[in-house]
Amino acid sequence: DAKTTQPPSMDCAEGRAANLPCNHSTISGNEYVYWYRQIHSQGPQYIIHGLKNNETNEMASLIITEDRKSSTLILPHATLRDTAVYYCIVRALPNTGNQFYFGTGTSLTVIP
Amino acid sequence: AAGVIQSPRHLIKEKRETATLKCYPIPRHDTVYWYQQGPGQDPQFLISFYEKMQSDKGSIPDRFSAQQFSDYHSELNMSSLELGDSALYFCASSLQGSEKLFFGSGTQLSVL
Repeated sequence: DAKTTQPPSMDCAEGRAANLPCNHSTISGNEYVYWYRQIHSQGPQYIIHGLKNNETNEMASLIITEDRKSSTLILPHATLRDTAVYYCIVRALPNTGNQFYFGTGTSLTVIP
Repeated sequence: AAGVIQSPRHLIKEKRETATLKCYPIPRHDTVYWYQQGPGQDPQFLISFYEKMQSDKGSIPDRFSAQQFSDYHSELNMSSLELGDSALYFCASSLQGSEKLFFGSGTQLSVL
């Protein structure tokens, strides 16, 4: 079952902020929101995760709505190297090897 | 820092042959995941192991089997290969309780 919904593709101008939305209206109280990205044919890479508070790290910011039914990943200054497929995933902790599903992500193209 | 190591990087087999893919997790990681990614598709979860026991199972065909050994490395055994098994196979590892999965560079399997 698809737990998240993302737009299939987006463009962003280089140097501008890229805002990638994700809907997860059926998220449970113990499920976190994760974002990963996959640059062409490479292994997926962890970006950020959060439960209900907004989070920021050196790569991105994660904004989660108060009702937790949607979130937005923000890349503050997109570069050409940020062109990738971005996956929004919901999953409960603790992690004891329970399945970690990639849905259909958003293909972000950063345009020079 | 040590990353997840997968071998071989590329593998060419013929129909009905067998193949074994290997995954060496990051030291001290106790959980391993296997994914299959066909051309133009999203990663599909196959199977996972936690502390050498199968933890969860996804869309892994009956022709495939996997295990995690005492040194925590894992092997994916694939028999009676079919053309449709041609894909990138990723392994990921994590530490119990951690939110991050670390992916290897993948094994590109081509079945001719």
